[in-house]
Amino acid sequence: TQLLEQSPQFLSIQEGENLTVYCNSSSVFSSLQWYRQEPGEGPVLLVTVVTGGEVKKLKRLTFQFGDARKDSSLHITAAQPGDTGLYLCAGYGNNRLAFGKGNQVVVIP
Amino acid sequence: NAGVTQTPKFQVLKTGQSMTLQCAQDMNHEYMSWYRQDPGMGLRLIHYSVGAGITDQGEVPNGYNVSRSTTEDFPLRLLSAAPSQTSVYFCASSYGVGTGELFFGEGSRLTVL
Repeated sequence: TQLLEQSPQFLSIQEGENLTVYCNSSSVFSSLQWYRQEPGEGPVLLVTVVTGGEVKKLKRLTFQFGDARKDSSLHITAAQPGDTGLYLCAGYGNNRLAFGKGNQVVVIP
Repeated sequence: NAGVTQTPKFQVLKTGQSMTLQCAQDMNHEYMSWYRQDPGMGLRLIHYSVGAGITDQGEVPNGYNVSRSTTEDFPLRLLSAAPSQTSVYFCASSYGVGTGELFFGEGSRLTVL
């Protein structure tokens, strides 16, 4: 079983602040994905990172894949209330996508 | 643009009853899967399928059956419901196996009394 540990589990910040959440594993992944889930809905893919050391930007969101392809981070600049949600990282192995438990982010207006 | 459609959205069962959660996708995806989501536990894989006629167990398969007779449909059967199966269930599909974006349905909230 490939475990993905996400930290912190819960984070509450004021609008305009920056935040970083983490996804760590002892396993090497060929690719790692980040999803965002809003209440009452299914997760939606934000990004896929494939290459060790890769950095991808999606507007105010910056995703980084560790050099060893075992960990990843998500940084949000100038967070807005619309960024509120559960952020899930997921890695592929053995024909299955395993998810971490998620980072619950709340941005207070 | 239907994507992945799950029914029902809500269901209440008594212990011991059986039921089937339906999942259909219209994107011609080969890979389909079922997850359950519980507070503090994240998404856990129940069963998955890499194509019609092929299914395999995930992380938490006990108490659930699946079949894949067509590319479009992947129903999840609860044989004898237990309170521990109270959860939100998500069906998801993707174009390829082990790659690409997973598209999720809106979820089915099941309560077993």
